Amino acid sequence: DAGITQSPRHKVTETGTPVTLRCHQTENHRYMYWYRQDPGHGLRLIHYSYGVKDTDKGEVSDGYSVSRSKTEDFLLTLESATSSQTSVYFCAISEVGDTDTQYFGPGTRLTVL
Amino acid sequence: KQEVTQIPAALSVPEGENLVLNCSFTDSAIYNLQWFRQDPGKGLTSLLLIQSSQREQTSGRLNASLDKSSGRSTLYIAASQPGDSATYLCAGRPFFSGGYNKLIFGAGTRLAVHP
Repeated sequence: DAGITQSPRHKVTETGTPVTLRCHQTENHRYMYWYRQDPGHGLRLIHYSYGVKDTDKGEVSDGYSVSRSKTEDFLLTLESATSSQTSVYFCAISEVGDTDTQYFGPGTRLTVL
Repeated sequence: KQEVTQIPAALSVPEGENLVLNCSFTDSAIYNLQWFRQDPGKGLTSLLLIQSSQREQTSGRLNASLDKSSGRSTLYIAASQPGDSATYLCAGRPFFSGGYNKLIFGAGTRLAVHP
């Protein structure tokens, strides 16, 4: 298995509070991604990173920000959590090349009350 | 805009049955298509990746095909086992996705194989 960890694995928070989720990789892959998974929607890309300090928006980026200060860490921040951000969040990594495969972390289940 | 659809949303079959999971995409300009497996409460595991120039890929009891002209991919599972029970997701990488590995996911097919 690819070396990807996510923390925390579960979190319950209240509306309006800031939340930061962490993704850590040991594979030295260049690309990192944050997805959310909701019933009936599959996985949707929130933000991605193509290098240290290089990030860009995905299709559902409103209300989220990211940072990548080191190759191995990619942080997702909800500045002011809302109930609509209750979801399961997955981090993924990849190298664009022959395999083109994305490797996924175990996920973080976030509940916003 | 690329959209990926998976039918059926759920499937229940007896052990030993051969089965086909379907994935359709609206834009044939895809770079590749991947099939993933997701167990409850877990992340996704890549099963097969088919490049746009390929027609199929095989791994053990799994065979995935790609028909760009019709916008379809199928995942064939031979001699299903209870351990195959999971959600199966397909994801297409649009041809013009910039410099990163952008994936558009279907909502998945939840498979239950009963003894």
